[in-house]
Amino acid sequence: EDKVVQSPLSLVVHEGDTVTLNCSYEVTNFRSLLWYKQEKKAPTFLFMLTSSGIEKKSGRLSSILDKKELFSILNITATQTGDSAVYLCAVTIEPSNTGNQFYFGTGTSLTVIP
Amino acid sequence: NAGVTQTPKFRILKIGQSMTLQCTQDMNHNYMYWYRQDPGMGLKLIYYSVGAGITDKGEVPNGYNVSRSTTEDFPLRLELAAPSQTSVYFCASSHGTGYNEQFFGPGTRLTVL
Repeated sequence: EDKVVQSPLSLVVHEGDTVTLNCSYEVTNFRSLLWYKQEKKAPTFLFMLTSSGIEKKSGRLSSILDKKELFSILNITATQTGDSAVYLCAVTIEPSNTGNQFYFGTGTSLTVIP
Repeated sequence: NAGVTQTPKFRILKIGQSMTLQCTQDMNHNYMYWYRQDPGMGLKLIYYSVGAGITDKGEVPNGYNVSRSTTEDFPLRLELAAPSQTSVYFCASSHGTGYNEQFFGPGTRLTVL
């Protein structure tokens, strides 16, 4: 059965700390891995990763994929209270005629304390 | 481009009542999805569709029904509401081919009393 596991489940840090969120997966026919941020509303897209070892970066957020070890990490440096959210990892598989492509992890809840 | 729209935003139902959650996308996406998210939990897939006329069950389909008569619309029907269906419901869509992400609607917060 296809599976996406995120760790830790929750995290509390102080402003200015650096955090690393993990996402491991076991799927057949892997296509891409996506990170979303969810702040009490709909998830918003952060990154899509398809190739191993290539870092995607957006401001203080960065992410990298390891397709050999089947995991990705999301780093947030110099955290701010606005980073408080649930971070969701999703893995997509190669499309088939009738199959679901997206598999979500349960998310990591990040709380940044001033 | 409105993206993915959902109505209503909030709804309170009594046990045994029925309702339809509406979802529309204007991006000409083939794939559409319905998720529910319980407090403090991740997204659970209820139903999905890979195109008009084609739907399939996800992880938690019991108590729900869907239809997909057009590319744009993917309504979710609750026939006999139960307290266990109290949740936030998100509709999403994706292109289905190529490397692409899901786009989410704003969600419907449903309470069943």
